[in-house]
Amino acid sequence: GESVGLHLPTLSVQEGDNSIINCAYSNSASDYFIWYKQESGKGPQFIIDIRSNMDKRQGQRVTVLLNKTVKHLSLQIAATQPGDSAVYFCAETAGYSTLTFGKGTMLLVSP
Amino acid sequence: SAVISQKPSRDICQRGTSLTIQCQVDSQVTMMFWYRQQPGQSLTLIATANQGSEATYESGFVIDKFPISRPNLTFSTLTVSNMSPEDSSIYLCSVGTGQVNYGYTFGSGTRLTVV
Repeated sequence: GESVGLHLPTLSVQEGDNSIINCAYSNSASDYFIWYKQESGKGPQFIIDIRSNMDKRQGQRVTVLLNKTVKHLSLQIAATQPGDSAVYFCAETAGYSTLTFGKGTMLLVSP
Repeated sequence: SAVISQKPSRDICQRGTSLTIQCQVDSQVTMMFWYRQQPGQSLTLIATANQGSEATYESGFVIDKFPISRPNLTFSTLTVSNMSPEDSSIYLCSVGTGQVNYGYTFGSGTRLTVV
């Protein structure tokens, strides 16, 4: 289930489940969005991106959905594995300038 | 994607001192950024490092506290000046190439503890 931790909301899933991580963004002018994975002690690592002229993009085991009407972004991870445990951030930019990051979600995958 | 080398990876510093963090990129990049990530929180943009001119700071961050240099298209430094325990954070260098897919990449960060 999903709960709010001390700083970050946490999503706990079982290995093999599908995970959905959500993100609300605020700038209606944002035209490019990125999902990052951050493991403990490391910098954010690119997962997948999407431009505003698309509403869905698929990668390997990951899918990003964009709903511009309600300014909402989601990351779907299929067949979640323990190695997917990390903090996930969405980021947005308008015109490929500075990135603004969302609050982040901690994903915990139990074997 | 660009490969970023950031150092030091971590440091413990005395309050009142300053620390300079270096960011080296393996290719010329258009944009370089500095972020701060406080424990358990998201990334906050400190400034955009501009090559050959003064950095562009975000609200709440000032040059006297966080002086930044960018002498060329592959290197930048961030100094955290007159440190206090509240400056304990992870500081991250990022680059932007203006391209989709891996257009924005991050260094591994500098974990700073001020005592």
